[in-house]
Amino acid sequence: DGGITQSPKYLFRKEGQNVTLSCEQNLNHDAMYWYRQDPGQGLRLIYYSQIVNDFQKGDIAEGYSVSREKKESFPLTVTSAQKNPTAFYLCASSKGYNSPLHFGNGTRLTVT
Amino acid sequence: GQQLNQSPQSMFIQEGEDVSMNCTSSSIFNTWLWYKQDPGEGPVLLIALYKAGELTSNGRLTAQFGITRKDSFLNISASIPSDVGIYFCAGPRDSGYALNFGKGTSLLVTP
Repeated sequence: DGGITQSPKYLFRKEGQNVTLSCEQNLNHDAMYWYRQDPGQGLRLIYYSQIVNDFQKGDIAEGYSVSREKKESFPLTVTSAQKNPTAFYLCASSKGYNSPLHFGNGTRLTVT
Repeated sequence: GQQLNQSPQSMFIQEGEDVSMNCTSSSIFNTWLWYKQDPGEGPVLLIALYKAGELTSNGRLTAQFGITRKDSFLNISASIPSDVGIYFCAGPRDSGYALNFGKGTSLLVTP
């Protein structure tokens, strides 16, 4: 079955540590996205990538970094510079321009 | 960026009731999307609308793309317990990639 896989489902880290969230898709989609979800806040865009080796900042990119070395993979690194990293992180992909997004099942990150 | 205002923020209804929610935008959209998120899961696309005035159904769900292109509506008929979740409206960002989302309508259905 085609889909988007995010791992792990739950992640715990100590403050000051960088952590990388995995996102893999086998839908052959060109574009991939990272959103952050906080209670009552909806989904906020962190980064997105239209094609391999290219990515753009979203609305809340500070303290995050991404790479897009392969079409299937779009890992997100939450750095120690992110002031409030505890959140639910959602990865998505789409065929391309003006196409609906398809989401993974998220990674819940807790930083203490 | 575009502001999406979704209402109501939450709804608590009895099984069998009809539900209506809406979303308004500060700017014109050429696409409206509705998603549902179950607890602890990622959002799932319910309905996509591509034309002003368009009315589209998906089972008990019906969504409309407003004539002004600044609003959209989602109706759920004869609600059942599995309709519980958060419903999000979304529209494309200026780049044509990625979406802006409303803050969601949380739906609770009692048997």
